[in-house]
Amino acid sequence: ILNVEQSPQSLHVQEGDSTNFTCSFPSSNFYALHWYRWETAKSPEALFVMTLNGDEKKKGRISATLNTKEGYSYLYIKGSQPEDSATYLCAFLNAGNNRKLIWGLGTSLAVNP
Amino acid sequence: EADIYQTPRYLVIGTGKKITLECSQTMGHDKMYWYQQDPGMELHLIHYSYGVNSTEKGDLSSESTVSRIRTEHFPLTLESARPSHTSQYLCASSEFRGGHETQYFGPGTRLLVL
Repeated sequence: ILNVEQSPQSLHVQEGDSTNFTCSFPSSNFYALHWYRWETAKSPEALFVMTLNGDEKKKGRISATLNTKEGYSYLYIKGSQPEDSATYLCAFLNAGNNRKLIWGLGTSLAVNP
Repeated sequence: EADIYQTPRYLVIGTGKKITLECSQTMGHDKMYWYQQDPGMELHLIHYSYGVNSTEKGDLSSESTVSRIRTEHFPLTLESARPSHTSQYLCASSEFRGGHETQYFGPGTRLLVL
């Protein structure tokens, strides 16, 4: 059974705080790790696809790192803003013929103004 | 911004009714997906399609059925709705970009079966 775990489950920060959360995934048979952002009443939106150990990707104030050997990825938000409030989902894609995304439960972030 | 649409957004219906959840995309993507998400749970894949006339069951067993007669349209049908079908249903399509597949999601349908 492939498990993807995200922590913390929820997070409340003040505007301007920087924050980070974790996605843990199986370290064997790795193909790719996806991060999505899901705002309430909107569609999940792709943030990053990460494939190489040591990868670091950045989009504005949001960045992510990847460690495939130990099976984790961190998502960082610098200077959180209220519009960053959303659930951040990660999804693991295993190598092999029958590839499907295995999703975590997400980290729910609330940024207070 | 992705062009993938789902209707209805919200549906409250009685037990035993037949329902169809619509999903359409205008991006010409071949692969499409249906996910089910119960409160507090992960997204679970229930159906997917590689293209026209292709439908496959996902990891989570579902009493729903799907069809793919046109590239842009991937409706999901429940022949006889039951309270256990109450959930959120998300449709997605995908494209390969830079050697990797990215999924684009619709806004979801929240279904409540009484």
